[in-house]
Amino acid sequence: DAKTTQPPSMDCAEGRAANLPCNHSTISGNEYVYWYRQIHSQGPQYIIHGLKNNETNEMASLIITEDRKSSTLILPHATLRDTAVYYCIVRGMNRDDKIIFGKGTRLHILP
Amino acid sequence: GAGVSQTPSNKVTEKGKYVELRCDPISGHTALYWYRQSLGQGPEFLIYFQGTGAADDSGLPNDRFFAVRPEGSVSTLKIQRTERGDSAVYLCASSPHGAGEQYFGPGTRLTVT
Repeated sequence: DAKTTQPPSMDCAEGRAANLPCNHSTISGNEYVYWYRQIHSQGPQYIIHGLKNNETNEMASLIITEDRKSSTLILPHATLRDTAVYYCIVRGMNRDDKIIFGKGTRLHILP
Repeated sequence: GAGVSQTPSNKVTEKGKYVELRCDPISGHTALYWYRQSLGQGPEFLIYFQGTGAADDSGLPNDRFFAVRPEGSVSTLKIQRTERGDSAVYLCASSPHGAGEQYFGPGTRLTVT
């Protein structure tokens, strides 16, 4: 089973920041938080990952709480092309550790 | 550069037939993964290769499913005696070493009639 809990769907107005929450209360000290997204009829796309510090790249920012039990993915200026299913995943550091997907959050960007 | 490619993009087959699905990973990636995705669900892990060997095949649902990666690059997922319940999108992903992010292909949509 997935080790994360996400809302099934969210709406966000185009141009606004989209804030996608994720709970991972059973995360262990050697596990990362990863985010992927899947646009309709495509394979999942890696977005960002982090261990305990906040991270930012050209796609998004990842905010992880101090106790690491939850995180938020932030898309700073959402566009229609950001409409997708967003998956929050907890994964160990070893190369043999699997990715286990849940159902994700379906994000609708509204024009 | 080229991403992960999968062929065919769509495959329709009759119940009981044998199918092969192909995955071409990103050049140089040693890790390769197969997933299966049913409608409305997240991808479900099937098997993971590190080089030529299957490091973890715990996700294969039964012995009708088999995958190979003989030269450590291209992989083929083989399904014998297909059943209607095998209908899904089969996704392949690769990764430089196994840890870190995975790069997914577009998937093969398999329909068993």
